[in-house]
Amino acid sequence: QVQLVESGGGVVQPGGSLRLSCAASGFTFSSYGMHWVRQAPGKGLEWVAFIRYDGSNKYYADSVKGRFTISRDNSKNTLYLQMNSLRAEDTAVYYCAKAQIQLNAFDIWGQGTMVTVSS
Amino acid sequence: EIVLTQSPATLSLSPGERATLSCRASQSVSSYLAWYQQKPGQAPRLLIYDASNRATGIPARFSGSGSGTDFTLTISSLEPEDFAVYYCQQRSNWSWTFGQGTKVEIK
Repeated sequence: QVQLVESGGGVVQPGGSLRLSCAASGFTFSSYGMHWVRQAPGKGLEWVAFIRYDGSNKYYADSVKGRFTISRDNSKNTLYLQMNSLRAEDTAVYYCAKAQIQLNAFDIWGQGTMVTVSS
Repeated sequence: EIVLTQSPATLSLSPGERATLSCRASQSVSSYLAWYQQKPGQAPRLLIYDASNRATGIPARFSGSGSGTDFTLTISSLEPEDFAVYYCQQRSNWSWTFGQGTKVEIK
């Protein structure tokens, strides 16, 4: 079945770095754009980043631009999020999500991985 | 950035009742509006895309309408499993934003 499984979350100090991974299965990963979306504890959803199916273009929310980098390895069916210069306000559950072909909505979500930025 | 405002923040209803959730955009998003359901401890689930199209496997009691700046999600008759938080989401160029959510709770 179609599945996305995130990993790599944990506790990191302010200013530190972390790399999240998202393993995809059950669909042709290399044909679809992919997103990262986050949700701070008790808060709503915030879009973080998007990468086109072939990695040719990447887009970021202003809140993470210059600090986070989205990438993908289509040979490994895996999406990544490199997070640098982490701040307390980056504390959240991070979800990877598959984009619809039309790119308007997120049709498949992973279960999420928790990132806590704290000293 | 386009801001989505959802109302009400909380909707208290009984099973079997009709739920009407609103999402208003700060500027036109055409029909590029989606709705998601999220239950505690779970990932969001896509319900409606492009304002009125049900996603795969979504029951017919869920329907979406609207265009431009005003959108509505209607649940025709609430089932016990429908009590959750609902988010609207829009795409504008290469940016995606979510509303703050509406919690549908049992009255």
